[in-house]
Amino acid sequence: QVQLVQSGAEVQRPGSSVKVSCKASGGTFSNSAISWVRQAPGQGLEWMGGITPVFGIANYAQKFQGRVIITADESTSTSYMEVTSLKSEDTAVYYCVHGSGQYSSLDHWGQGTLVIVSS
Amino acid sequence: EIMMTQSPATLSVSPGERATLSCRASQSVGSNLAWYQQKPGQAPRLLISDASTRATGIPARFSGSGSGTEFTLTISSLQSEDFAVYYCHQYNDWPFTFGPGTTVDIK
Repeated sequence: QVQLVQSGAEVQRPGSSVKVSCKASGGTFSNSAISWVRQAPGQGLEWMGGITPVFGIANYAQKFQGRVIITADESTSTSYMEVTSLKSEDTAVYYCVHGSGQYSSLDHWGQGTLVIVSS
Repeated sequence: EIMMTQSPATLSVSPGERATLSCRASQSVGSNLAWYQQKPGQAPRLLISDASTRATGIPARFSGSGSGTEFTLTISSLQSEDFAVYYCHQYNDWPFTFGPGTTVDIK
């Protein structure tokens, strides 16, 4: 059973950056895919981007291209998602999510990390 | 980018009744369509993948159908624990996209 454990809540100032980690266990990290999905308060789910660790190449939604960086460290089965130039609209819960392959459903979700952007 | 729409936005149903939720893609996604359930304060949970395959541990009252651009999630007899928000998601092409969700509430 795949388990994803994310880093804790963050409060950041506008214009700064935040980096959220997601450690996987119980599965084959390298051959899976990790997506990052966010949910603003009271809003729906928004896919930000994803990475297949074995290839090491990330894909991003156009909205986040250039401002979000997703990486994966196979040695520690950990994915990271960094958002730069934070705005108040980035206040959201950020989820890392496991997929069994590059084009697959999202079958295991992390617990979510709340990021609050406020001056 | 493939746009996903869902209808209705809110569905009011009595316990024991059947609920039918719809999802439409702006272009064909084949059968690469999933459904998720989300309850307040919780992460979403995978219900259905590949348009019609129930995920592990999902009760048989949940069923999915469709292909191409039109999909349906049916809950045959609503239980109290089924009142939640339901999202469809296409994974046929990057970027992945979600529908806006359907809220199923108690009538």
